[in-house]
Amino acid sequence: GAGVSQSPSNKVTEKGKDVELRCDPISGHTALYWYRQSLGQGLEFLIYFQGNSAPDKSGLPSDRFSAERTGGSVSTLTIQRTQQEDSAVYLCASSLGQGASEQYFGPGTRLTVT
Amino acid sequence: DAKTTQPPSMDCAEGRAANLPCNHSTISGNEYVYWYRQIHSQGPQYIIHGLKNNETNEMASLIITEDRKSSTLILPHATLRDTAVYYCIVRARGEGQNFVFGPGTRLSVLP
Repeated sequence: GAGVSQSPSNKVTEKGKDVELRCDPISGHTALYWYRQSLGQGLEFLIYFQGNSAPDKSGLPSDRFSAERTGGSVSTLTIQRTQQEDSAVYLCASSLGQGASEQYFGPGTRLTVT
Repeated sequence: DAKTTQPPSMDCAEGRAANLPCNHSTISGNEYVYWYRQIHSQGPQYIIHGLKNNETNEMASLIITEDRKSSTLILPHATLRDTAVYYCIVRARGEGQNFVFGPGTRLSVLP
């Protein structure tokens, strides 16, 4: 079946602009995660959604970052007033939910802020 | 905190077994050991996980020491496509929050 998909695959934006990144999780997966990965670095957790529960936003680096998940499926990560340090690959993952072992990752969106 | 320690890089000859070590000396009784890998320009891929018994699947074997303070991921016959960064993660099953990825081990499979 279809895996996790993300769009766009690449995004170049000017400093100060807002960007929206999209994630389509695997159908039926109730848990959805956003991570980011700067060049040569490990993954940094951003936010986690589980069903209808309030999201875990503990990893968001600043209030310029926000995310929503509509209808328990598609998620959008929004970065307002982008800065050069926001340049990274943004990865989305989904899983069956609490107790599930595997998170399935999408291919990521490479964001470059010029 | 990643809770695990891995060597930054390793080489392995194609066709030979790749043995990737991981130290997790502070692991709790309810925490599992998970392994993921990330091939260049792709998202991480789940490999295997275990609690205390050794585990094997079609991709790899996981050997966990009796005291659970360390483990080894074994790729029995490494191929060039196994070149990737391998992440060892400990996490309690049932937790919904994120996996904490450390820097991992960069495995280079050499022809």
